[in-house]
Amino acid sequence: DVQLVQSGAELKKPGESLRISCKGSGFRFSTYWIGWVRQPPGKGLEWMGVIYGGDSDTRYSPSFQGHVTIAVDKSMNTAYVQWSSLRASDTATYYCARQSVSSSGLMSGAFDVWGQGTKVTVSS
Amino acid sequence: DIVMTQSPDSLAVSLGERATINCKASQSVLDNSLKKNFLAWYQQKPGQPPKLLMYWASTRESGVPDRFSGSGSGTDFTLTISTLQAEDVAVYYCQQYFSTPVFSFGPGTKVEIK
Repeated sequence: DVQLVQSGAELKKPGESLRISCKGSGFRFSTYWIGWVRQPPGKGLEWMGVIYGGDSDTRYSPSFQGHVTIAVDKSMNTAYVQWSSLRASDTATYYCARQSVSSSGLMSGAFDVWGQGTKVTVSS
Repeated sequence: DIVMTQSPDSLAVSLGERATINCKASQSVLDNSLKKNFLAWYQQKPGQPPKLLMYWASTRESGVPDRFSGSGSGTDFTLTISTLQAEDVAVYYCQQYFSTPVFSFGPGTKVEIK
């Protein structure tokens, strides 16, 4: 089965660091872009950025650049997002997702496989 | 950046009736050389991750029931649920993937049973 499995829920204090993970299986991880999407409680979806599994080429939303780092370990088929100093406003569920590639090889930016989500709570 | 808007914010539809959700992009998401609209639709049920329904604006993802259809081109798009079922209660999002640096989502439309 093609799947993305994310790490578990986190409770952190403001100013602390954090790394959450997303492990892919059932597909050739190194040939896909993996993205991260934030969803604050009761709110909509926010596109954070994407990373290419093969060479770590990364694209960030300006809203998130400088505050988060997206990384990948292709030997482990795992993508990460990390914070060096969390804020209360980082409280959200974070999803990883795979950008789809059609049978003809045409890459789209649509996300066809999603992780189950990681809930991050930042509170003093 | 391309800004996506959706209407209505929410709608209540009777079982078996049609539900129509609109999505508008602040600029065209049509690639004229490929003749494809770089737009996707997702369904999100409470406590679950989003699920891809449509891509290229009107191509149904594998396994998605054919009561879901997508239409439109350029800046204006529609997701239609032809006969609403109880399991279709969810929030629906559109997303453009035409223009970097952000493949932005719309704010979502909540569909409920009347």
